[in-house]
Amino acid sequence: DVKVTQSSRYLVKRTGEKVFLECVQDMDHENMFWYRQDPGLGLRLIYFSYDVKMKEKGDIPEGYSVSREKKERFSLILESASTNQTSMYLCASGPVFGRDSSYNEQFFGPGTRLTVL
Amino acid sequence: AQTVTQSQPEMSVQEAETVTLSCTYDTSESDYYLFWYKQPPSRQMILVIRQEAYKQQNATENRFSVNFQKAAKSFSLKISDSQLGDAAMYFCAYRAGSYQLTFGKGTKLSVIP
Repeated sequence: DVKVTQSSRYLVKRTGEKVFLECVQDMDHENMFWYRQDPGLGLRLIYFSYDVKMKEKGDIPEGYSVSREKKERFSLILESASTNQTSMYLCASGPVFGRDSSYNEQFFGPGTRLTVL
Repeated sequence: AQTVTQSQPEMSVQEAETVTLSCTYDTSESDYYLFWYKQPPSRQMILVIRQEAYKQQNATENRFSVNFQKAAKSFSLKISDSQLGDAAMYFCAYRAGSYQLTFGKGTKLSVIP
């Protein structure tokens, strides 16, 4: 079974703090993703990485940065947390896109519910 | 840009009955993949079913099946013999040749005993 784990299920931080969210996958996937999930807005992509040290902005990258030093680990960083970053954060991983459909889904972690006070 | 629309924010179904969740999408691609994901309350998002656009046959996984209408850009999910464990948020998602999935805003399904 593919396993994607996230460092915390719940996190409470203060405004202005630097926040690190960690994600680890054990399936040797090339691609990793960070999403933000808010009620009524679905999942929105923050950043993704298609290889070690490579990253691409998603739809809502402002206020976030990422780091991928090893293939299995993808970190989301909130440089200076703000209250509008209170949300559920989902990490996902997946292999390269290919014709075989079994290679096109993403596998999700359990999520981190972040509250910024 | 690709968009995915789920027009039903909430739905309910009686246990053992059948329910259909709708999804439409907009794309200019000819080769793409569609997915339905399930997110139970406070639990992990999991894949329910996938459909390749180049396949005409509708995908089926046990009690879950899709009605894929490529010309209409429609991809609905049918859940037969609904069970209490089917209560969840359901997200429709699309992927073409890019890395990312594009998600709809979700449909919250309640199952009434």
